[in-house]
Amino acid sequence: NAGVMQNPRHLVRRRGQEARLRCSPMKGHSHVYWYRQLPEEGLKFMVYLQKENIIDESGMPKERFSAEFPKEGPSILRIQQVVRGDSAAYFCASSPRGHLTYEQYFGPGTRLTVT
Amino acid sequence: SQQGEEDPQALSIQEGENATMNCSYKTSINNLQWYRQNSGRGLVHLILIRSNEREKHSGRLRVTLDTSKKSSSLLITASRAADTASYFCATDAPDSGYSTLTFGKGTMLLVSP
Repeated sequence: NAGVMQNPRHLVRRRGQEARLRCSPMKGHSHVYWYRQLPEEGLKFMVYLQKENIIDESGMPKERFSAEFPKEGPSILRIQQVVRGDSAAYFCASSPRGHLTYEQYFGPGTRLTVT
Repeated sequence: SQQGEEDPQALSIQEGENATMNCSYKTSINNLQWYRQNSGRGLVHLILIRSNEREKHSGRLRVTLDTSKKSSSLLITASRAADTASYFCATDAPDSGYSTLTFGKGTMLLVSP
């Protein structure tokens, strides 16, 4: 049973370009969470999605950032017109339920560098 | 604002010694979880303790929870060099009804051979 998969593992973009980060949850998991980690910091919640629905996007910047989790295929975190401050590690996690008592399984992360 | 705050920020010990890390939080929780992150890697879930539990064990790990003080501790006994990592506590937001997590900044643990 493969774990949570993220790709690419490393992504370099110039300022103004778009970044697309992909996350495939564990088999059987329909709840996906995206987090961002800045250097020397803990993870900050960005968005929580179920299949075809955004449940909570309270942690996501209002502009330039969007997320989706289509019926088929991976979840996508999209950052338009990237700026240097977007450089961070982006982690996705999945769980079988959204209920409070379930642990989350994390992917290896995508390290975004904006030059 | 930060929900979970780990203390100390960094801890350096010798193999065989015990390591204790603390976490304090601000609002009510349904459960508290501890995760480990090796340098440059994703997070690995270690243990989940519910708000009605006071202590939980898993192998060399012992977690306590004091909801009256809004604090938790993670004890790693007989540490090994492979335990070198950052350790994070994470709390949920029960008012939300679902399990988005709020992480602290973590404790960096260095275990020297």
